[in-house]
Amino acid sequence: NAGVTQTPKFRILKIGQSMTLQCAQDMNHNYMYWYRQDPGMGLKLIYYSVGAGITDKGEVPNGYNVSRSTTEDFPLRLELAAPSQTSVYFCASSGAAGENGYTFGSGTRLTVV
Amino acid sequence: GEDVEQSLFLSVREGDSSVINCTYTDSSSTYLYWYKQEPGAGLQLLTYIFSNMDMKQDQRLTVLLNKKDKHLSLRIADTQTGDSAIYFCAESSGGANNLFFGTGTRLTVIP
Repeated sequence: NAGVTQTPKFRILKIGQSMTLQCAQDMNHNYMYWYRQDPGMGLKLIYYSVGAGITDKGEVPNGYNVSRSTTEDFPLRLELAAPSQTSVYFCASSGAAGENGYTFGSGTRLTVV
Repeated sequence: GEDVEQSLFLSVREGDSSVINCTYTDSSSTYLYWYKQEPGAGLQLLTYIFSNMDMKQDQRLTVLLNKKDKHLSLRIADTQTGDSAIYFCAESSGGANNLFFGTGTRLTVIP
């Protein structure tokens, strides 16, 4: 049971480059989320989706885009990378039951230089 | 918006009990969660408590909830070096599928 799979695990980008962080889940969860984690700042929600074809902005959406064409996949796109986007990015998913919380991927560490 | 606060650091000696505290602002929280993050890994759900409970015990873990004071705590009995990690408190004020996380408490267990 793979759960939530994120790729790549590490990436270094130059300022102005673009990239897509991949996220896939095999639990048939409707809800998917992208967070960034900065030291001492906890987790900040970037975007989330309540189902295929539906996405919404979270707390810190600027500089990012998402799409949700299937239930399984929720890629996060950075169009013009900036140093402020250096962070660890986590994808998560959840079903409808609250007691299960979220299932997290292992994260992507991104450095923009 | 919703605010979830935790202290950033806690150090305990191996074998002692650890108590990690969390305060939150939204009284409509349905579930409250504790997650554990080990170095280089994602967050793993440790335990949760439903808002109509005031205590939940699960092996070495005890969760206490004071709804009046909006205070949540996680007690780890007989703390081991493998418990060293960052612990996140989270609350669901926007429904079960909208969680707000605290800043995390880094627990260091001293042998």
